Amino acid sequence: SYVLTQPPSVSVAPGKTARITCGGNNIGSKSVHWYQQKPGQAPVLVIYYDSDRPSGIPERFSGSNSGNTATLTISRVEAGDEADYYCQVWDSSSDHPKGVFGGGTKLTVL
Amino acid sequence: EVQLVESGGGLVQPGGSLRLSCAASGFTFSSYAMSWVRQAPGKGLEWVSAISGSGGSTYYADSVKGRFTISRDNSKNTLYLQMNSLRAEDTAVYYCAKGVTAARLDSGFDYWGQGTLVTVSS
Repeated sequence: SYVLTQPPSVSVAPGKTARITCGGNNIGSKSVHWYQQKPGQAPVLVIYYDSDRPSGIPERFSGSNSGNTATLTISRVEAGDEADYYCQVWDSSSDHPKGVFGGGTKLTVL
Repeated sequence: EVQLVESGGGLVQPGGSLRLSCAASGFTFSSYAMSWVRQAPGKGLEWVSAISGSGGSTYYADSVKGRFTISRDNSKNTLYLQMNSLRAEDTAVYYCAKGVTAARLDSGFDYWGQGTLVTVSS
């Protein structure tokens, strides 16, 4: 089965840039989606199809995907960005597509 | 305004059954694939199952295949998850989620319900 690997934690100072990676075999050939989840809340889509941003998501959030790594970049980090972040793809390598989530990355704003 | 409201969670004994529902509004329900995603206490997100807009195609995680059945009633704008042979490891908050793009399974999930807690314990 397809595996997505995320670092358990990333720390960044306010105003700096945070980069959260998502590793997978030839992930560049798949569409990657990113979610933000704050404690006690449902996840929120922040990036879809590698780099598209839903309405209402600040331009500070961007995404890229190439080779074996997808990256969520958060520029000018704010305290309110502290949350868990998950990447997600669809594994269509078999006749039965399956959704796959990464293990999640806890973003700490110092 | 898009709304997804789950119901049906609760406490159930191992080996028991439960049916979750997700009432949808604010969009053309039949045009979008829908999924169930769960989150065990203190753990990450796990995709459980998906269904096409027509209901003609269904997909399952290996961990639930053969025990869970996803379905939808487009006349009632409602998504279901029938869960049988429940195990302790099925304990989680279950979310229903809407696909971003009509008629595309591989899109992300742009709207989520508030979740319903399923606890499997004796």
